[in-house]
Amino acid sequence: GNSVTQMEGPVTLSEEAFLTINCTYTATGYPSLFWYVQYPGEGLQLLLKATKADDKGSNKGFEATYRKETTSFHLEKGSVQVSDSAVYFCALSPYSGFQKLVFGTGTRLLVSP
Amino acid sequence: DTGVSQNPRHKITKRGQNVTFRCDPISEHNRLYWYRQTLGQGPEFLTYFQNEAQLEKSRLLSDRFSAERPKGSFSTLEIQRTEQGDSAMYLCASSLDPSYGINNEQFFGPGTRLTVL
Repeated sequence: GNSVTQMEGPVTLSEEAFLTINCTYTATGYPSLFWYVQYPGEGLQLLLKATKADDKGSNKGFEATYRKETTSFHLEKGSVQVSDSAVYFCALSPYSGFQKLVFGTGTRLLVSP
Repeated sequence: DTGVSQNPRHKITKRGQNVTFRCDPISEHNRLYWYRQTLGQGPEFLTYFQNEAQLEKSRLLSDRFSAERPKGSFSTLEIQRTEQGDSAMYLCASSLDPSYGINNEQFFGPGTRLTVL
């Protein structure tokens, strides 16, 4: 079946630290991969996506590369800010023509000044 | 259009009562999705519509749950005879049909938080 596994949180960092949140997936076929972010009190927002192997998604200083050989899509940011504090969800869509999303359990990021 | 809206934002009900939630998608979006999110978990897919047609239902959607999208615009999700295990955040999302070949990102609403006492 299709599933997503991401590192448990919370991840606690100081401002300007480097961030990595690990995500691995299991899927048949060629899934599309996503990172969604949920800020306190707000709905889920798409942060970035990648639709095929070796694609790099990027947005707001965050990056993730679709690695088919390791079935991974790790989220990175070179210098986090307090405003990045949120819950981050890795997700996949089993195939490009259908967008049912399969989510990981989420990783809470806490950034302190 | 300011995005996907959901009403109510919060609902507290007693076990055994029926509840109904509404989702208004982005107006030009013909796909509409329902997800459920329990505390500490990621959202889980429940069902989706292409226009007014309900095309897939998860096995999570027991026979107490029913969803409609009668005119291909807003959708309702009804839970009959609620149980405490139904307590969760119910999320709605909408998108363009991916067969259009353009950006088909799912946009999520703020959710309806259900508490069953």
